[in-house]
Amino acid sequence: QVQLVQFGGGLVQPGGSLRLSCVASGFRFNKYGMHWVRQAPGKGLEWVAYIRPDAKNQHYADTVKGRFIISRDNSKNALSLQMNSLRSEDTAVYYCATDESWSFEFWGQGTLVTVSS
Amino acid sequence: QTVVTQEPSFSVSPGGTVTLTCGLTSGSVSSNYYPSWYQQTPGQAPRTLIYNTNIRSSGVPDRFSGSILGNRAALTITGAQSDDESDYYCLLSMTTDIRVFGGGTKLTVL
Repeated sequence: QVQLVQFGGGLVQPGGSLRLSCVASGFRFNKYGMHWVRQAPGKGLEWVAYIRPDAKNQHYADTVKGRFIISRDNSKNALSLQMNSLRSEDTAVYYCATDESWSFEFWGQGTLVTVSS
Repeated sequence: QTVVTQEPSFSVSPGGTVTLTCGLTSGSVSSNYYPSWYQQTPGQAPRTLIYNTNIRSSGVPDRFSGSILGNRAALTITGAQSDDESDYYCLLSMTTDIRVFGGGTKLTVL
């Protein structure tokens, strides 16, 4: 069955960096676009970034553009999100998700990122 | 900047029917935005209910349906049950690669 297992997350100081990973299994990873979505405590869902199956295009929400980098390694069925210049407002649970028919089909379990001094 | 709008909260009686909607602060929602809907309970990852306007995701009961009503996307729950009490989010595809969520609707079943 389809699985998206997330790694990374934790506590980081403002201005710091953190890398999230998402390892996929149970489907042909290199055929699917992948997204990162986040949810701040007590808030709604926010789309963060998208990468196409061949990794040739990446797109970002304005709130993270220039600070976050989405990437993938199709040989390892792995998706990453490199987060730099972190701010308190980046504190959230981050989810990876597969793209299917312009929607999110499968979701990772989520990982908490806390930006605080 | 265009914002995706949803009712902040809604209430439905058990067995009743409720329609949640998803609009834009500027313009109309059509099937060209490929609206999708997600259900989320506290502490859990979202669950995909509807994609591409009206296609139910695998395993979703047929009492959940999606449509376009006027200038908004809509999620209708027919025969609401207590475990439908959740947060519901719509998602619009603004371009091939850009997605935007609505603010979410908190549904109470009582």
